[in-house]
Amino acid sequence: DIQMTQSPSSLSASVGDRVTITCRASQGIRDDLGWYQQKPGKAPERLIYDAFRLQGGVPSRFSGSGSGTEFTLTISSLQPEDFATYYCLQHNSYPPTFGQGTKVEIK
Amino acid sequence: QVQLRESGPGLVKPSQTLSLTCSVSGDSIRRGSYYWSWIRQPAGKGLEWIGRVHSSGTTSYSSPLKSRVSISIDTSENRFSLNLNSVTAADTAIYYCVKGGPVPGKYEYYFDFWGPGTLVTVSS
Repeated sequence: DIQMTQSPSSLSASVGDRVTITCRASQGIRDDLGWYQQKPGKAPERLIYDAFRLQGGVPSRFSGSGSGTEFTLTISSLQPEDFATYYCLQHNSYPPTFGQGTKVEIK
Repeated sequence: QVQLRESGPGLVKPSQTLSLTCSVSGDSIRRGSYYWSWIRQPAGKGLEWIGRVHSSGTTSYSSPLKSRVSISIDTSENRFSLNLNSVTAADTAIYYCVKGGPVPGKYEYYFDFWGPGTLVTVSS
């Protein structure tokens, strides 16, 4: 199975900060990666697909980049509603695997 | 826009079978030819893919759960189901049903729409 390693596992940030989360794959997955946001008590929602394509309705402050084994989710200016846990998902090959999550908390 | 909703018992006894159904609205399972998955999340932990079914009825399962899991689809009722037998406390989790893409291979796991999830507790 492809292992997905996210870093950091948690971070504290203030409204307006630029936040970057990294996901590393144990082998190359081209651009077959999605980013998901999960708020407490809710199902995950896809923010980014194909590593960099923004899901419809998602604010443009979210962006994704990377290919192969290294991927990044960036929030350009953190908003109060962005405090949540973020997961990456590789869907390049069976089985699909998620990163362990990054919890973004209020500083 | 497609909507999914899980239903089933919230409490299952150890060694018994966990059975959940996902009702799909806003699109026809039969017409769309999509892949439909189950994913679970223990409290405070990460996400684990369980398996998927195609509208044709073909299935694929996670290796660790393969011996205990079965997923089926009922296109006439626009729903699909999960059965997980011989459950233990380790199977306690929120279970999500999820829509994938329409193309075989990597797009099977193109998870774009999720149900709200249902908590299943395994306890006597």
